[in-house]
Amino acid sequence: NAGVMQNPRHLVRRRGQEARLRCSPMKGHSHVYWYRQLPEEGLKFMVYLQKENIIDESGMPKERFSAEFPKEGPSILRIQQVVRGDSAAYFCASSPPRTSDEQFFGPGTRLTVL
Amino acid sequence: AQRVTQPEKLLSVFKGAPVELKCNYSYSGSPELFWYVQYSRQRLQLLLRHISRESIKGFTADLNKGETSFHLKKPFAQEEDSAMYYCALNRGTSYGKLTFGQGTILTVHP
Repeated sequence: NAGVMQNPRHLVRRRGQEARLRCSPMKGHSHVYWYRQLPEEGLKFMVYLQKENIIDESGMPKERFSAEFPKEGPSILRIQQVVRGDSAAYFCASSPPRTSDEQFFGPGTRLTVL
Repeated sequence: AQRVTQPEKLLSVFKGAPVELKCNYSYSGSPELFWYVQYSRQRLQLLLRHISRESIKGFTADLNKGETSFHLKKPFAQEEDSAMYYCALNRGTSYGKLTFGQGTILTVHP
C-alpha cells in the first residue's frame, strides 16, 4: 500500500490562475479530508468527503474553493482565481469507513502564488 | 467550538532528560485526543491517541478532563525524538474532523 498520494508536490501559480490539487487515498479508504497549513500556523480543517458526497465543508472559504471526490479517481481541491493569501501547504488525509479510525496523511502540496 | 492550544512553539532538551509537551483543549463534549508527529522530510503520522492508552516510542499521554489537558511525556528523551509534534482533537467517534494545535518543535541535543 503506497500510502496517501498527493500531486503535485509543489505548485506555482500567478494571481488569478486556477490551482488543482489531487489526492489519492490509501486503498480501501473511503473518507478524505483536506487541511491547510498557513505559514507559522497549525493545520486547519477545510473539508471532509466520502465518495461522491461532501460531508462537512465548514472550513472551506465561501468563494473560489471547491472540492470533490468522484466515484472513480482522486479527490480534487480546486482553487479558482488564486491570490497571494492562498499560498500554503495543503494536506490530504484518508481513513477507512469507520471515521474514528486513524487518519493517514499525504506528503502535502505546497502552493505558491506569485 | 473546539480549540487546541500548544503553548510552546519551541522546546529544547538534552538527551536523557525528561520531556513534556503541553496540550490544552476546549470542548464541551467528550473528545478524542491525539498526538501526531512529523519527523524531518517525512509526512505527518499518528503517534498515539488517548483511547488506546498505550506507550509509543516511550511516549505517554494522559487525558485530564478536569484540567482539559493531554500533555505528552517521555522520561528520557532521545535525539531521534527531534520533530514537530501536533496535538489534535476529534469531537467523538462518529466524526472525523481533526482540530490541530499550532505545533511544538522539539529539539533534543546530544
